Amino acid sequence: SSGLTQPLSVSVSPGQTVTITCSGDKLPYSYVYWYQQKSGQSPVLVISQGTLRPSGIPERFSGSHSGDTATLTIRGAQSMDEADYVCQSWHSNHGAVFGPGTKVTVL
Amino acid sequence: QVQLVQSETEMKPPGASVRVSCTASGYSLTDHYIHWVRQAPGQGLEWLGWINGNSGGTKYPERVQGRVTLTRDTSSNTAYMEVTRLTSDDTAVYYCAKDSTSRGNMDVWGQGTTVIVSS
Repeated sequence: SSGLTQPLSVSVSPGQTVTITCSGDKLPYSYVYWYQQKSGQSPVLVISQGTLRPSGIPERFSGSHSGDTATLTIRGAQSMDEADYVCQSWHSNHGAVFGPGTKVTVL
Repeated sequence: QVQLVQSETEMKPPGASVRVSCTASGYSLTDHYIHWVRQAPGQGLEWLGWINGNSGGTKYPERVQGRVTLTRDTSSNTAYMEVTRLTSDDTAVYYCAKDSTSRGNMDVWGQGTTVIVSS
């Protein structure tokens, strides 16, 4: 068990909104990250520090946090967004912890 | 353009060691941290540790402590990861990633290095 819980898979119709949750005990508000990983490719950071969108990441990607759950939202999903989405937390004592990943299907 | 370029695929027998390199371009290695992450076939991402590019200080998760060693060579702007006592469970794609915050923000990733452990 990774210590972080994500749904195994979610599906969304093109143009619709999809949310992916990441839950963990004492999930650090400021140190949650989201990565997009397409098949056979390296991960790409899409949300930093819970809510920040790195340069070059489309505005349709957003992050939020409430209690012990962080959420990645994709508004107006496109076929190019089909990928695995992995959350990651950072703890000063034991470093980085990754979630198991959520497969997003756009159909 | 900031980029991390990793070494090529490695095939090793069980019990051997492997060293993977990660060469930074577009920035100085001493300015940031480098994380190492691996992904076994069909599995999720697993953090293997990080190295402070400036001081050379390292941090490892308990499960790999003693078997994974991270180093860097500032003259060649290259970070290295060595894994010893390889088993088939170490078969994976190994990634390096740059972190400018020292708080797990992996904002640039290498292309990955496949390590295959097989007799």
